[in-house]
Amino acid sequence: EVQLVESGGGLVKPGGSLRLSCAASGFTFSNAWMSWARQAPGKGLEWVGRIKSKSDGGTTNHAAPVKDRFSISRDDSRNTLYLQMNSLKIEDTAVYYCAADPAPGNYYDSQGPMGYWGQGILVTVSS
Amino acid sequence: NFMLTQPHSVSESPGKTVTISCTGSSGSIASNFVQWYQQRPGSAPTTVIYDDNRRPSGVPDRFSGSIDSSSNSASLTISGLKTEDEADYYCQSFDGNNVIFGGGTTLTVL
Repeated sequence: EVQLVESGGGLVKPGGSLRLSCAASGFTFSNAWMSWARQAPGKGLEWVGRIKSKSDGGTTNHAAPVKDRFSISRDDSRNTLYLQMNSLKIEDTAVYYCAADPAPGNYYDSQGPMGYWGQGILVTVSS
Repeated sequence: NFMLTQPHSVSESPGKTVTISCTGSSGSIASNFVQWYQQRPGSAPTTVIYDDNRRPSGVPDRFSGSIDSSSNSASLTISGLKTEDEADYYCQSFDGNNVIFGGGTTLTVL
């Protein structure tokens, strides 16, 4: 069973930093393309960014609002995805979700680019 | 920038069929696969449709997806509505390497 568990959220002051983690299990993490999305209170989903598997280049893409402040990385030895968030702003307050595509490009095993989601973790940016 | 537009809300009675649209702002929506996510209140999103019209295992066949190139839109159709289908639904596609979400549609089953 695929499981994604986010951690590291909490209250941080504007301008501060925070690192979120997403512990994955139930699939071969090193093969997966992993994503972060967020949802501000009462708002819709917003994509944050994605990292490909190392075998597919390990490249990252980040959404424009976070591109110069957030960084996605992965540790395949720990089956863990990270989101380093710097220079946090009040508008970054949201529930942050990690999502997985365990078998990108595999017609039979993939369930789409964000086929599986974690339960989410709240990040509050406030003075 | 490419955008996906969804109706803010739809409502329908139990047992009926409802269709939620997702219209692309430019280009061809058929150029990239469309996904649909269901989010019940207080819960994380789950995938109900991926690759335009494929259902993950465990999603009932009451859920179906389609693409209409003439209107540059994708649709999620839910038949035999149940009260448990009441949720927010989001479409999702791509703009180059970026993932794009629609604004979400609140489905009320009354």
